[in-house]
Parts: sequence; structure tokens; C-alpha cells
Amino acid sequence: AQRVTQPEKLLSVFKGAPVELKCNYSYSGSPELFWYVQYSRQRLQLLLRHISRESIKGFTADLNKGETSFHLKKPFAQEEDSAMYYCALSGHSGNQFYFGTGTSLTVIP
Amino acid sequence: DAGVTQSPTHLIKTRGQQVTLRCSPKSGHDTVSWYQQALGQGPQFIFQYYEEEERQRGNFPDRFSGHQFPNYSSELNVNALLLGDSALYLCASSFPGIFYEQYFGPGTRLTVT
Repeated sequence: AQRVTQPEKLLSVFKGAPVELKCNYSYSGSPELFWYVQYSRQRLQLLLRHISRESIKGFTADLNKGETSFHLKKPFAQEEDSAMYYCALSGHSGNQFYFGTGTSLTVIP
Repeated sequence: DAGVTQSPTHLIKTRGQQVTLRCSPKSGHDTVSWYQQALGQGPQFIFQYYEEEERQRGNFPDRFSGHQFPNYSSELNVNALLLGDSALYLCASSFPGIFYEQYFGPGTRLTVT
């Protein structure tokens, strides 16, 4: 069965500290993995996708097929990173997305 | 461009009633997906519409139905409302062929009493 698991509902880090938001998945096939972010009072928006291998706002995420993980990392957290982060996956056709339950990140000044 | 718009913003219905939610996609987008987000949960995929057809459906009962119009706007209908249908309903649209970059609307908060 297709599933996305984000084990941490809440995560707090100090400004300047490294941050890692965990995401594990199960999918029968080769999925496309994404991170979506929702800042306070804003809409859910795409942060990055694994296939682009980009760094967006200092965040990177590596797809580890062996561990079926897609953890989101940033070496130095900033206050503006405080938000809700959702890991999501879809098949290649993009017909259907599966979202995790989200991790609320708070960066402490 | 206002982006994806949804109406109404909030809605209160009674068990057993029917509800229709509306979504206008971002300009240039042709694909619309609907999600249900219960409190404390991530969005759950309901279905996706493309070229006025339901292209994919998530694990939701037939009480949930939809429609896409020639101008790409979409409606979500829910019949025989249950208390468990209380949630935030999100609409997302995407450009042709760029399915992964979904643009989300602000959502409609449905409360069933």
C-alpha cells in the first residue's frame, strides 16, 4: 500500500542549528517524491522535488531508495523556516498524490 | 491572477444534507485535484479532473463526486453528509504536463453538525 510517514509531528531547533525533517515512504513502483511547505497564513506550496536535485531556500532532500526515505535537510536553520512541512509522493503520471501528516518546524531565535 | 480560488470559505451543514464546493484554477491550468484535510492530518487525495473527466480517484466513497467545466473550474459534491466529513477541503491546480507543481487554494472549511 502507498504510504508516507513523517514520524515527528513537532520539531524545534535553534537558529543556526542543522535541521532534518524525516520522511519514509512505501510505494509499489518508482515514486516521485516532494516536499510541500505551508507558512503561517499562507497556502500549501511546493518546496522541492527529488528529481530536480535542487537546493531551495537552503533545503535539500535526497531520495534513498534502499531505506525508502526522503529526509529534508538544512545546515543552518533560519527563523523564517518555521512552518508546516509535508512530504508527498506520486506515481510518474502524477494522477494521485499521497501526503504525510506533516511536521511543524519551529526555529527558536 | 488571484491564483486558485475556492468558495465558500466556510460552510456549516447538518448530517444528511448535501454540499457543493467550488474551485477556479490558476490561469492557464487545466488539471484540478481535490483533497480532504482533517484536523492534524495531511491532505488526502479525493480525485483529479482533467479534460472534464475524472482521471484518478482516491479511497473515498461514491458520496463524493465532482465535475469539471469547459473553463477548467471544478465542483466537489458530497451527499448524505456525515459528522466525519467535517474537514478543510483543498483544491489544487497544475499546468498541462507539469503535474508535480500543484498550486493550492485557501480551502473551504466544512463543518457538519
